[in-house]
Amino acid sequence: DIQMTQSPSSLSASVGDRVTITCRASQNIRNYLNWYQQKPGKAPKLLIYAASSLQSGVPSRFSGSGSGTDFTLTISSLQPEDFATYYCQQSYSTPHTFGQGTKLEIK
Amino acid sequence: QVQLQESGPGLVKPSETLSLTCSVSGGSISGSYWSWIRQPPGKGLEWIGYIYYTGSTNYNPSLKSRVTMSVDTSKNQFSLNLRSVTAADTAVYYCARYTPIGSGGNYFDYWGQGTLVTVSS
Repeated sequence: DIQMTQSPSSLSASVGDRVTITCRASQNIRNYLNWYQQKPGKAPKLLIYAASSLQSGVPSRFSGSGSGTDFTLTISSLQPEDFATYYCQQSYSTPHTFGQGTKLEIK
Repeated sequence: QVQLQESGPGLVKPSETLSLTCSVSGGSISGSYWSWIRQPPGKGLEWIGYIYYTGSTNYNPSLKSRVTMSVDTSKNQFSLNLRSVTAADTAVYYCARYTPIGSGGNYFDYWGQGTLVTVSS
């Protein structure tokens, strides 16, 4: 199985901050990397697919980059509704695997 | 707008079978792939497998010996059966649409709200 490792596991930030979350794959997954946002008690929501493509309806302050084994999710200016847990997920091969999550909290 | 809704028992006894159904509305189940994903309380996400509308499947090897998925196109539903459950199978179970990307890869773009299944006697 491909292991996905996110860092940091948790992060405190303020509204208006620029935030970057990193995801590392245990092997080359090309650009087959997706990012999801999950709020408490809710299903995950797709933000970014294919490493850098913004899902329809997702604000442009979210962006993704990377290829191979190293990927980043950036939020350019944090808004109150962005405080949530973020997961990366590889779709290069099955079983599809997720990172352990990064919890973004209000400072 | 595609909507998914999970249904099934919220409590299952150890060694029994967990059975869930996902009802799809706002679109046809035909022509798409559909998936199950679970999340133990306070933990991360685990992909269980997917099923194509034709009935072809791909399961996570860690669960393959206990999992069966099926699809009913006439009802616009697909289902999950997980046999011989233990407390470790306690989780929120999500159904989701699994969409291929033209250039390769896939993503889960529509999700159900999730249903908590507790395994306990």
